[in-house]
Amino acid sequence: QLQLQESGPGLVKPSETLSLTCTVSGGSISSDNFYWGWIRQPPGKGLEWIGSIYYSGSTYYNPSLKSRITISVDTSKNQFSLKVNSVTAADTAVYYCARLYSSGWSFDPWGQGTLVTVSS
Amino acid sequence: DIQMTQSPSSLSASVGDRVTITCRASQDISNYLNWYQHKPGKAPKRLIYAASSLQSGVPSRFSGSGSGTDFTLTINSLQPEDFATYYCQQSYRTPYTFGLGTKLEI
Repeated sequence: QLQLQESGPGLVKPSETLSLTCTVSGGSISSDNFYWGWIRQPPGKGLEWIGSIYYSGSTYYNPSLKSRITISVDTSKNQFSLKVNSVTAADTAVYYCARLYSSGWSFDPWGQGTLVTVSS
Repeated sequence: DIQMTQSPSSLSASVGDRVTITCRASQDISNYLNWYQHKPGKAPKRLIYAASSLQSGVPSRFSGSGSGTDFTLTINSLQPEDFATYYCQQSYRTPYTFGLGTKLEI
């Protein structure tokens, strides 16, 4: 059974870089039929797709965040990562990683999520 | 971006009830519509994909329908474990976008 787990600091200072890693277990990240994605949910707000990556390294990002984000993959560790530069309080959110089906583009499964707070 | 409008935003119901949640897209998205269930502190769970396909392992009391711009998620005979927040998501075009959610309460 495929599982995803987010990890990283729970507190980041304004203007610094938020870094999270998603570890995939129970299956290979190097699968032809899937992409891997990041989604976030600010407190009291809706879900926002951040971006996605294929195991080859091909990425596509939400234009609203594109200038500040980088998603990368490490197939040797079965992990993919997210970096968000120049964070502000508006980046405070629960961050989820998820597998993205290339057929239909739905997310399943998801990680449990990790809360990242941007505060000095 | 494609806007997804979900209604109602909250819904009170009882065990055994039948409930319907609606999701409307700001443009035609064919059947590229997915539904998720989210419980506090848990990973969101895919229920329905491609508008009407039931995720393996999800009880048959859940069903989805619709095409184009209007979609519904129906839950027949509500069970205690169904009380959660439900989200729709369009996957027709990036950026993928979600509805704001429907909180189903007892």
